[in-house]
Amino acid sequence: GAVVSQHPSRVICKSGTSVKIECRSLDFQATTMFWYRQFPKQSLMLMATSNEGSKATYEQGVEKDKFLINHASLTLSTLTVTSAHPEDSSFYICSAPRPPSWTGGPYEQYFGPGTRLTVT
Amino acid sequence: EDKVVQSPLSLVVHEGDTVTLNCSYEVTNFRSLLWYKQEKKAPTFLFMLTSSGIEKKSGRLSSILDKKELFSILNITATQTGDSAVYLCAVNPPNSGGSNYKLTFGKGTLLTVNP
Repeated sequence: GAVVSQHPSRVICKSGTSVKIECRSLDFQATTMFWYRQFPKQSLMLMATSNEGSKATYEQGVEKDKFLINHASLTLSTLTVTSAHPEDSSFYICSAPRPPSWTGGPYEQYFGPGTRLTVT
Repeated sequence: EDKVVQSPLSLVVHEGDTVTLNCSYEVTNFRSLLWYKQEKKAPTFLFMLTSSGIEKKSGRLSSILDKKELFSILNITATQTGDSAVYLCAVNPPNSGGSNYKLTFGKGTLLTVNP
């Protein structure tokens, strides 16, 4: 079953409004989560790293004031697209690294199902 | 800057064919390489590779990593139309905490399997 959920799965909003997307890890705690954006026929581009208890780390070229990230708890991160414009229309995906089952093991990244944002 | 290159970018085959997808990387402090399958939604996990030369297998899919030559391949045998998807390769730096879990993705290979 799913280990990372995202809500909503699809949203249509008007230009100038704000949209909040939630990402939850369902059966593990994640001190770090990641937000990606994917345009049609392109690969996933990392936007920012969401850190529980501290500020998010943004990738170069991503506007902090436009894409607000809040890591409210060890299982929840939110991405708010503020004053959305049509060019913000995209597929937004979060991921969370699941702690290894043994000491020193690798973390596996699990992705949420994604949120399709359409700004009209 | 970390770099992941996948080839080919797209591939069209007939059902029953075998395909090999390639992924090469230039990453500092490499930890693991991951393969994902992406259909219409978010990527689904296929394999994680951390050791060189050890094949991972799941049904008709298999993958292997060469840490000396810095590449990995994903093989799909006896392809089916349901294998049609974008296959993404990503690399993951060492899990030393914080932002070091982030993945760097290649552009993906679009596989189309025709009946």
